[in-house]
Amino acid sequence: NAGVMQNPRHLVRRRGQEARLRCSPMKGHSHVYWYRQLPEEGLKFMVYLQKENIIDESGMPKERFSAEFPKEGPSILRIQQVVRGDSAAYFCASSSTSGGGTDTQYFGPGTRLTVL
Amino acid sequence: TQLLEQSPQFLSIQEGENLTVYCNSSSVFSSLQWYRQEPGEGPVLLVTVVTGGEVKKLKRLTFQFGDARKDSSLHITAAQPGDTGLYLCASLNNAGNMLTFGGGTRLMVKP
Repeated sequence: NAGVMQNPRHLVRRRGQEARLRCSPMKGHSHVYWYRQLPEEGLKFMVYLQKENIIDESGMPKERFSAEFPKEGPSILRIQQVVRGDSAAYFCASSSTSGGGTDTQYFGPGTRLTVL
Repeated sequence: TQLLEQSPQFLSIQEGENLTVYCNSSSVFSSLQWYRQEPGEGPVLLVTVVTGGEVKKLKRLTFQFGDARKDSSLHITAAQPGDTGLYLCASLNNAGNMLTFGGGTRLMVKP
């Protein structure tokens, strides 16, 4: 079984450009989570999505960041007009169910974004 | 959101030594998870502890959940270079959809 897949693994953008990060959940998983890991910091929750719905975006910056999980295709984390402070590793996780505190989130290998 | 503090932040030891890392909070956890993250990869779940006082073993790794469910520890016996990595503790919110991570302990085991 393929695990959570993320692409690209590395992404370099210049300030002001757009970054699109893709995440394909594990087969059979309909819940997707995005986390960000800034240099020398722990992972921070950004957003939780189910197919075609954003369930919790409490960790998303209010501006320039958006996420979607369409009916078909991967989940996309989009960062518009990137700034140097957006440089980080972005991880996607997926689970088969949610709630109850016992569902395992499986993490992808991450996309490392570098903003020049 | 619970604040999880991990200590030490960095640990460098020789192969064969034992070590313990800690995860503490002022709040009570409903459950706690330990992850290991290798450079360039995502976190991999090692264990979930749920019951106060619970002890779980995974080969040379022993995980303990405090009686009051406010703290947890990870003990590694006879560390090996393959144990090198970032060890993260995390708690799940009540809705079960958001993990809050500690800052991690970065372990290096020298041969």
